[in-house]
Amino acid sequence: GESVGLHLPTLSVQEGDNSIINCAYSNSASDYFIWYKQESGKGPQFIIDIRSNMDKRQGQRVTVLLNKTVKHLSLQIAATQPGDSAVYFCAETFYNQGGKLIFGQGTELSVKP
Amino acid sequence: DAGVIQSPRHEVTEMGQEVTLRCKPISGHNSLFWYRQTMMRGLELLIYFNNNVPIDDSGMPEDRFSAKMPNASFSTLKIQPSEPRDSAVYFCASSQTRDSYPHFGDGTRLSIL
Repeated sequence: GESVGLHLPTLSVQEGDNSIINCAYSNSASDYFIWYKQESGKGPQFIIDIRSNMDKRQGQRVTVLLNKTVKHLSLQIAATQPGDSAVYFCAETFYNQGGKLIFGQGTELSVKP
Repeated sequence: DAGVIQSPRHEVTEMGQEVTLRCKPISGHNSLFWYRQTMMRGLELLIYFNNNVPIDDSGMPEDRFSAKMPNASFSTLKIQPSEPRDSAVYFCASSQTRDSYPHFGDGTRLSIL
């Protein structure tokens, strides 16, 4: 029979606007969180990470916020560009198991020029 | 610098055939991971190695799947016999230490007819 795939949440923004992508994680004991960007035909690419002893971390044009109370992560992208169009995944793990990741379902970001 | 290298990039074969996927991690990285991505289940960890030793293979779906890491610069994931439900994109990733994020290759897109 025909398989039914997941429909990713989609965020559509205008070029130059700020984007906010949200993620709920599952394990309150997780202490290391990572955001990845995946473009079509490519593997996930690291964007930014944050440990549980922080609630905010900034990179170049990106900011990650962590709210442990409600197990929520967000990724903010400033001045979104067409090259930011991709699927964004959050991942959770334990800091001493850095590669044993549990991924969220992903959000597709579409940037309109 | 060279990232994680996977081969082949695409593989199409008939069910029942043996499939071997290959991975060369980033030089100096001592943890290696195999992930699988499908529309239904997203990104899932299959197995991971630390210093060439399998640490956790709880994600390997069944005995048809096996993975080896004979040395620090090479790993294989084998499926024998293959089935149509094994069709997916298989990613290899490596990390330098247990407390760093993994770097992903661009994956092998596997289609089992």
